[in-house]
Amino acid sequence: KAGVTQTPRYLIKTRGQQVTLSCSPISGHRSVSWYQQTPGQGLQFLFEYFSETQRNKGNFPGRFSGRQFSNSRSEMNVSTLELGDSALYLCASSFLGGYQETQYFGPGTRLLVL
Amino acid sequence: ELKVEQNPLFLSMQEGKNYTIYCNYSTTSDRLYWYRQDPGKSLESLFVLLSNGAVKQEGRLMASLDTKARLSTLHITAAVHDLSATYFCATSRGPGTYKYIFGTGTRLKVLA
Repeated sequence: KAGVTQTPRYLIKTRGQQVTLSCSPISGHRSVSWYQQTPGQGLQFLFEYFSETQRNKGNFPGRFSGRQFSNSRSEMNVSTLELGDSALYLCASSFLGGYQETQYFGPGTRLLVL
Repeated sequence: ELKVEQNPLFLSMQEGKNYTIYCNYSTTSDRLYWYRQDPGKSLESLFVLLSNGAVKQEGRLMASLDTKARLSTLHITAAVHDLSATYFCATSRGPGTYKYIFGTGTRLKVLA
């Protein structure tokens, strides 16, 4: 069974640009969550999608948005990039998003904003 | 506000020794998760602890949860070099939510 895949793996952007990251969950998984990991702030929850609906949201500005498609694939978008958005963005999937389930993480997209 | 603290932040230990990583969280929660992250890699789920007194073991790692003390421990027995990684604990509140709050991580280095 294929794991969680994320594209692209590496990305370099400049301030003010926007970026879209993609995540394909494990086949059959309907819940996708996104996390930002930085050396300074650690791992922070961005949002969770289930059946194309945003179910939970972390404390990030509105520049961070996401969506989920009917095939459970998810995208997140960051508009008007800032230097502080440089981070490793991880997505994780699980079957139903229940708290008792294991989350499976993808390899991440490393974003560098110049 | 839910906060999760881990200690120590850095741990350097000799092969064959035992040690414990501590994870304290600030508010009531009955679930605790442990993850491992190798340098430059993603997170790998180690344990899911869902009730007070839960104990799980996998190889040289054993995790436990005390919800009354708001404390989870990850015990390493007879450490080997392959266990070198960063270990994160995380918790959440509410059913069906992945609004996880992660600890700062403990960077473990096992010396030969």
